[in-house]
Amino acid sequence: EDQVTQSPEALRLQEGESSSLNCSYTVSGLRGLFWYRQDPGKGPEFLFTLYSAGEEKEKERLKATLTKKESFLHITAPKPEDSATYLCAVRETGTYKYIFGTGTRLKVLA
Amino acid sequence: DAGVTQSPTHLIKTRGQHVTLRCSPISGHKSVSWYQQVLGQGPQFIFQYYEKEERGRGNFPDRFSARQFPNYSSELNVNALLLGDSALYLCASSWANDNEQFFGPGTRLTVL
Repeated sequence: EDQVTQSPEALRLQEGESSSLNCSYTVSGLRGLFWYRQDPGKGPEFLFTLYSAGEEKEKERLKATLTKKESFLHITAPKPEDSATYLCAVRETGTYKYIFGTGTRLKVLA
Repeated sequence: DAGVTQSPTHLIKTRGQHVTLRCSPISGHKSVSWYQQVLGQGPQFIFQYYEKEERGRGNFPDRFSARQFPNYSSELNVNALLLGDSALYLCASSWANDNEQFFGPGTRLTVL
């Protein structure tokens, strides 16, 4: 069965303390892997799409990487405004179904 | 440019009632998807529509239905509401076969 697992469930960081979030996935063929940020009570905000192993993308303090079985979202020198839930999703080849993980709740303390 | 819009913002219904949620995609986007997000969980895929045709369906009962109109806006209908249908309902739009989906703010449905 196709699955997306994110870890840790929750993470507390001091401002400036870099860390990584993990997303492991099981699909027969990957059409794309997506990272979103979601603030409480709001819709997810698109961050990155990754298509193939070895691909990397960056945006401000965030960097996403992809291997054949997992993706990492690296957060460098985070700020309190980076506090949010980070969601990972995959789309399997040949389908239009997107499978989301349960997310990592990030709290960055000033 | 306006993003994805959804209405209403909040809705309270009682068990057994019917509800209709509405979504307007980003201008130029022809594909609309619907998701259900229960508190503390990731969004669960319900439907995807493209050019008024359903091209993807998640594991939801037949009480859930949707349609897309010629202007690419969409409605999600839920019949015979259950307490477990209480959730944030999200709409996302994309160009066509593009992977990137852009979400609206959601409709918070509470079933009493």
